[in-house]
Amino acid sequence: GDSVTQMEGPVTLSEEAFLTINCTYTATGYPSLFWYVQYPGEGLQLLLKATKADDKGSNKGFEATYRKETTSFHLEKGSVQVSDSAVYFCGSAPNAGGTSYGKLTFGQGTILTVHP
Amino acid sequence: TGVTQSPTHLIKTRGQQVTLSCSPISGHRSVSWYQQTPGQGLQFLFEYFSETQRNKGNFPGRFSGRQFSNSRSEMNVSTLELGDSALYLCASNGLAGASYEQYFGPGTRLTVT
Repeated sequence: GDSVTQMEGPVTLSEEAFLTINCTYTATGYPSLFWYVQYPGEGLQLLLKATKADDKGSNKGFEATYRKETTSFHLEKGSVQVSDSAVYFCGSAPNAGGTSYGKLTFGQGTILTVHP
Repeated sequence: TGVTQSPTHLIKTRGQQVTLSCSPISGHRSVSWYQQTPGQGLQFLFEYFSETQRNKGNFPGRFSGRQFSNSRSEMNVSTLELGDSALYLCASNGLAGASYEQYFGPGTRLTVT
């Protein structure tokens, strides 16, 4: 079945450092890929997404590029802030027309802590 | 308005049953449920569309759900076990181009003692 693997955490950075969180996937067909962020005590918020190969999703300074050849969707940010401290989840889902509607497969999550 | 879930927290005893509620974004007809635990992460429970369960994860039959004509959804867990303690997240699903986007509620924190 489909699976998503994220780099092990936790990740601790100083403010303004560069962030990379690795994510690779296995899936049948060509899924859509997502990054979600979860702040303490809250649900998941969609951060960015990409629906086909070579698409780049971006939001709030975060970026991720859908790489079909390496089955990856790594999350990057050039300069992190303390407010970026949260848990980040990579996810995949079949595109509309697939047989697994409404099912996101998530990675295990990466805890990011940014210090001033 | 976003996705709402109720209750926010609840505490139950082993063997009891519990019902959780989710109201999706207006116009969304698909709702998914997930269980989040520190050990297992986020796991898919089931998905409903227009009152029909379309997809189901690998959970025992004690976990069930339903959806009403107004798209609101409930999930039920019977004969609660300690391992059912988790954050239960509901997602409201809407088509965005060729893919679904899922918008999550704040979750219901269930503690089983």
